[in-house]
Amino acid sequence: DIVMSQSPDSLAVSLGERATINCKSSQSVLYSSNNRNYLAWYQQKPGQPPKLLINWASARESGVPDRFSGSGSGTDFTLTISSLQADDVAVYHCQQYFSTPYTFGQGTKLEIK
Amino acid sequence: QVQLQESGPGLVKPSETLSLTCTVSGGSISGFHWSWIRQPPGRGLEWIGSFYSTGTTSYSSSLKSRLTISADPSKSQFSLRLSSVTAADTAMYYCASHDDAFDIWGQGTRVTVSS
Repeated sequence: DIVMSQSPDSLAVSLGERATINCKSSQSVLYSSNNRNYLAWYQQKPGQPPKLLINWASARESGVPDRFSGSGSGTDFTLTISSLQADDVAVYHCQQYFSTPYTFGQGTKLEIK
Repeated sequence: QVQLQESGPGLVKPSETLSLTCTVSGGSISGFHWSWIRQPPGRGLEWIGSFYSTGTTSYSSSLKSRLTISADPSKSQFSLRLSSVTAADTAMYYCASHDDAFDIWGQGTRVTVSS
């Protein structure tokens, strides 16, 4: 199984500042035949299901604000929120869909400082 | 726009079988992949298993011996059956659709295993 590890577990950032969340996979999720990273990021607010933010490591879903960006390749990935808004308070999860079992990171709780 | 809605009993007794249904509205169940994902209280997300557009299934190895996922296109539903439940199966259960990542999720249904 591919193990996904996120850091930090929790993060407090001031409004308007940058937030950075890291995700590391125990093996590469880059598929060489199409050069795509099978890595997604989700945002989960209290009492709600997860919402897909970013697909293929760096492709923002339709309607997701451009302050959210994803980067990385292979085994190391980053979700960056360039200017934190109050509405961004949530738990963020990374997930690999390179192979089954599909696995998630443990989640990172993002709060306002 | 496709919407998903989970349904099932909120409370199940230990050793019994949990049955959940996900009803798909606004689109066809055919041609897409469908999955169940759960989240124990205060914990992370766990993939349970998937029903693919080809009619094949894939299950979590830790649940495989107790799990059945199936689909009924005529009812626009797919379902989960988990036998011999224990307290460790207490969680919020979500259904989701996906081509690759899980792009559409239901609101979830809370399941508690308790006598």
